[in-house]
Amino acid sequence: GEDVEQSLFLSVREGDSSVINCTYTDSSSTYLYWYKQEPGAGLQLLTYIFSNMDMKQDQRLTVLLNKKDKHLSLRIADTQTGDSAIYFCAERLNYGGSQGNLIFGKGTKLSVKP
Amino acid sequence: DGGITQSPKYLFRKEGQNVTLSCEQNLNHDAMYWYRQDPGQGLRLIYYSQIVNDFQKGDIAEGYSVSREKKESFPLTVTSAQKNPTAFYLCASSATGSYGYTFGSGTRLTVV
Repeated sequence: GEDVEQSLFLSVREGDSSVINCTYTDSSSTYLYWYKQEPGAGLQLLTYIFSNMDMKQDQRLTVLLNKKDKHLSLRIADTQTGDSAIYFCAERLNYGGSQGNLIFGKGTKLSVKP
Repeated sequence: DGGITQSPKYLFRKEGQNVTLSCEQNLNHDAMYWYRQDPGQGLRLIYYSQIVNDFQKGDIAEGYSVSREKKESFPLTVTSAQKNPTAFYLCASSATGSYGYTFGSGTRLTVV
C-alpha cells in the first residue's frame, strides 16, 4: 500500500532554520500537504503544494518538492519556540475507491530550544 | 463560523461499556473521517464516509462502528470489542476536490 515516511524527531535552536523531510510512494499524487499539531489539539493545515510545482513559499515556510525522488521538505525560517509541535506530511490518493483520501506520515516532533 | 466540532473533549468510561464520540461539521463537506492517534504511531484511519448513508472501513475498524445519517454528523461508537480503546480520537472532513482536511480538536478517551 501507499506509505509516507518521515523522521520522528528534530531539535533546533531558536532563530535557526528547521528542515523537516518526508518521502512518499504514490507517484500519481496531485497534492501534498503539511499539517501542524500542537499538544492536545487537532491538526491544522499549514500549507500544501500541487504536484506540478517545485517550490512554494508562504512567509517563514518554504516547501520543496522533488517529484523524481518523491521527496517533500518543509523549511521553517527563524524558528520560534511557538513552532514546537508535531508536523505531519500527507499525500492525496489519486486512484481507486479511496481516491481523495489522505495518507499521513507518523509525524516529526519539532523541539525548539531557547 | 464554519467548523468541525468534536465532543466531549475528555471522556472516561469503564471497561466493557460502549461509548459514542460526536463529530459535527457545518462546512457542507461531503466526506468525513475518523482517526485514532497513539503516541509515536501517527494517525490511523478507523472509518470514512464520502457521502451520506455510506461508509467504508479504514485500517483499524475492528471494535468500532459508525453511522452517517446526516451530512453534518458522523458519530463513532467504540464498542466493548475494542481491546485497547484508550487513545486520542480525531474527526476530519473534506469537500470533494478540496485542498485537504479540516480537523476537529479531538476527544481523549480513557477506559478504566
